[in-house]
Amino acid sequence: KQEVTQIPAALSVPEGENLVLNCSFTDSAIYNLQWFRQDPGKGLTSLLLIQSSQREQTSGRLNASLDKSSGRSTLYIAASQPGDSATYLCAVRPMDSSYKLIFGSGTRLLVRP
Amino acid sequence: EADIYQTPRYLVIGTGKKITLECSQTMGHDKMYWYQQDPGMELHLIHYSYGVNSTEKGDLSSESTVSRIRTEHFPLTLESARPSHTSQYLCASRGQGGSEQYFGPGTRLTVT
Repeated sequence: KQEVTQIPAALSVPEGENLVLNCSFTDSAIYNLQWFRQDPGKGLTSLLLIQSSQREQTSGRLNASLDKSSGRSTLYIAASQPGDSATYLCAVRPMDSSYKLIFGSGTRLLVRP
Repeated sequence: EADIYQTPRYLVIGTGKKITLECSQTMGHDKMYWYQQDPGMELHLIHYSYGVNSTEKGDLSSESTVSRIRTEHFPLTLESARPSHTSQYLCASRGQGGSEQYFGPGTRLTVT
């Protein structure tokens, strides 16, 4: 059974710092991995999608990497800003149940001014 | 930018009422999903659809029902609301193959 773990559960950093969020999954048989951002009480905003054949994706200050064989993904945020404060979720789409995403429990990020 | 809409955004309703939460997307996606999420907690898949006239129950048992008569529309209905239904309901959609999944803004439901 696929399980997704995100470490740390919470992170507080000063503005301007570069930071890395970690996501690990137990079964490497995935179609893709997606990173989301969720603000309190709101829906999820898709940040980056990495297909299983890809190693990384970049969008602005965000860079996500995928090492499928070791079951790991990282989300790198450069030059963090207070507006980056949110919960970040990673999710994998398993090959044996491709109708759904398996979500991690998220990392709550606070960027202090 | 994802074009997926949910109405209402907030709803406070009394026990026993019938409610329908609306979800529409303009991207022509064939796959649509409903999730339930309590504050600070994980998302639970409650219903999904592969296309018109296709609906399936998700991983979390739910007393709600869904329909998919049109590609763009995937409403969720509670026949008799109860306080235990108080939660946030998130709709999502996805296109073909390994494409990105997009979420709507959510409906926050409170049953008194």
